[in-house]
Amino acid sequence: GAVVSQHPSRVICKSGTSVKIECRSLDFQATTMFWYRQFPKQSLMLMATSNEGSKATYEQGVEKDKFLINHASLTLSTLTVTSAHPEDSSFYICSANPRQGARDTQYFGPGTRLTVL
Amino acid sequence: GENVEQHPSTLSVQEGDSAVIKCTYSDSASNYFPWYKQELGKGPQLIIDIRSNVGEKKDQRIAVTLNKTAKHFSLHITETQPEDSAVYFCAASNQGAQKLVFGQGTRLTINP
Repeated sequence: GAVVSQHPSRVICKSGTSVKIECRSLDFQATTMFWYRQFPKQSLMLMATSNEGSKATYEQGVEKDKFLINHASLTLSTLTVTSAHPEDSSFYICSANPRQGARDTQYFGPGTRLTVL
Repeated sequence: GENVEQHPSTLSVQEGDSAVIKCTYSDSASNYFPWYKQELGKGPQLIIDIRSNVGEKKDQRIAVTLNKTAKHFSLHITETQPEDSAVYFCAASNQGAQKLVFGQGTRLTINP
């Protein structure tokens, strides 16, 4: 149980284009979903927290107009990297808190490797 | 805010030996402490967690201890196997805040 999927797993795009990443909780409803980015050999950096039906809360230094988050349902959140540039290349990972049970437990997706040329 | 320090950054042990990774946290309000294992190119996988109302938790070869007074917690892996090789992250959170604050990670290598 507690499976989180992400799509796509890898994406390569040209500078200036936008990329959408989907995060789904497959076997549970998620109260809250989180988006992280991770640079090589570094820890996870929280970008934003989103609750279904409300605006995402962004961490300090994260541009909300560049990283658009939509949490349309209790099982789906999307992250759109707008006007991507090479410095946005990173490993993006989502996580989700289950609506029932241990609600402080975060289950992570497999990650999306974004490469901006 | 919360700050989590993790040591060591790298750890190499012989297969069959034990491995110990330690973390300290700063916010006394933190009450949830998970450990994640991350293999190369994959997302973190929850391997064990502990809440502040207990001092120790064990799951087969993996155990976690928590010292609330000293604000530190540790991961213990016994009878290590090559498949235990990965990066391990500790984290801490205050249930009200929901957000996890991660340690810097430990790259564990099990030598055959």
